[in-house]
Amino acid sequence: QKEVEQNSGPLSVPEGAIASLNCTYSDRVSQSFFWYRQYSGKSPELIMSIYSNGDKEDGRFTAQLNKASQYVSLLIRDSQPSDSATYLCAVGAGGTSYGKLTFGQGTILTVHP
Amino acid sequence: DTEVTQTPKHLVMGMTNKKSLKCEQHMGHRAMYWYKQKAKKPPELMFVYSYEKLSINESVPSRFSPECPNSSLLNLHLHALQPEDSALYLCASSQDPLNVLTFGAGSRLTVL
Repeated sequence: QKEVEQNSGPLSVPEGAIASLNCTYSDRVSQSFFWYRQYSGKSPELIMSIYSNGDKEDGRFTAQLNKASQYVSLLIRDSQPSDSATYLCAVGAGGTSYGKLTFGQGTILTVHP
Repeated sequence: DTEVTQTPKHLVMGMTNKKSLKCEQHMGHRAMYWYKQKAKKPPELMFVYSYEKLSINESVPSRFSPECPNSSLLNLHLHALQPEDSALYLCASSQDPLNVLTFGAGSRLTVL
């Protein structure tokens, strides 16, 4: 089982729609959770961070965390063509691996006009 | 200054060369990271420095040698690399481990 798994892509949504990205993780003592966006040829940039159960909203983005189910999601409302990128879920380890941030394989999102 | 600066942006080296990648941040961050990213793959953690001490080494081959001269600088020394080591090498920093990572633009390495 991979440490961090994301829903298989690619994901294609029309402009203005909601894009839903999902991620599960295997380490129950994980403490921090992030969504990064990466455009082709560029480095990852932070979209959202979340540390406790529940929802966190920032503009068009909402992150949801459920530690009991070991599940993190990202919703993008009113998707724009500029949102087309690879979205990476990242999970920060606790315990003996404190400081280790592991990325999922990424989900390619395409928003078409 | 909210940037992580990596040099060089591009590096081409032969398998017998010795070269170094450099990373600098002036945000007062105390954790610094090296990641390796191959095309269409996620970043893979190589090393973590926390408060200038190596805290995580993800079983990286010894031909990669990290160095943290001070809290603002991180180097990756390269020696006797293989063509399969060609990748984008990303440096990142965070206020402390598990906090948000800020990535540099990366150094694209090609090994001939």
